[in-house]
Amino acid sequence: DGGITQSPKYLFRKEGQNVTLSCEQNLNHDAMYWYRQDPGQGLRLIYYSQIVNDFQKGDIAEGYSVSREKKESFPLTVTSAQKNPTAFYLCASNQGEDQPQHFGDGTRLSIL
Amino acid sequence: GESVGLHLPTLSVQEGDNSIINCAYSNSASDYFIWYKQESGKGPQFIIDIRSNMDKRQGQRVTVLLNKTVKHLSLQIAATQPGDSAVYFCAENNFRGGGNKLTFGTGTQLKVEL
Repeated sequence: DGGITQSPKYLFRKEGQNVTLSCEQNLNHDAMYWYRQDPGQGLRLIYYSQIVNDFQKGDIAEGYSVSREKKESFPLTVTSAQKNPTAFYLCASNQGEDQPQHFGDGTRLSIL
Repeated sequence: GESVGLHLPTLSVQEGDNSIINCAYSNSASDYFIWYKQESGKGPQFIIDIRSNMDKRQGQRVTVLLNKTVKHLSLQIAATQPGDSAVYFCAENNFRGGGNKLTFGTGTQLKVEL
């Protein structure tokens, strides 16, 4: 089945630790995105990439980093500089700016 | 309808009734609008989209209406079923702003009562 796979489903971070969230897609989409969702709120854009080896900051990029070395993969690192990392993280992809973004099933990050 | 804040607006409907979920979008230059459905613990699922050169689009049991004059978007669900219970988000995109950046509303919780 074509789709977007996020792993792990649940992740725990210790103080001062960096953690990396995985996002893989087999839809052959050029563009990929990372969003953060807090309880009772809409999605906020962290980073996005429109093509391999290129990415741009979204609205809340501080404390996060990404890479886009392969078309299929867009991992997100939550660094220790992100002081409030507890949230539901969603990865999405699409083929063009007039095409809907399709989402994975998210990773829930919590602090130990 | 949607609003900013920590408490999601809730719409309760009886099974079999029609549901109307509203969204006020912010950018008059937005060209493209999408409705998503999100069930608990899952990612948003695409329902239907509409471009700014249209004012109505229909899918299976769903209709999206766009009123650009008042910057209002609505999602109508016909014959609402228990499986329709979820949070519904609207999203807008302004192509001229560059890239594929979507701006999401805060969502409306739809509860279907048996």
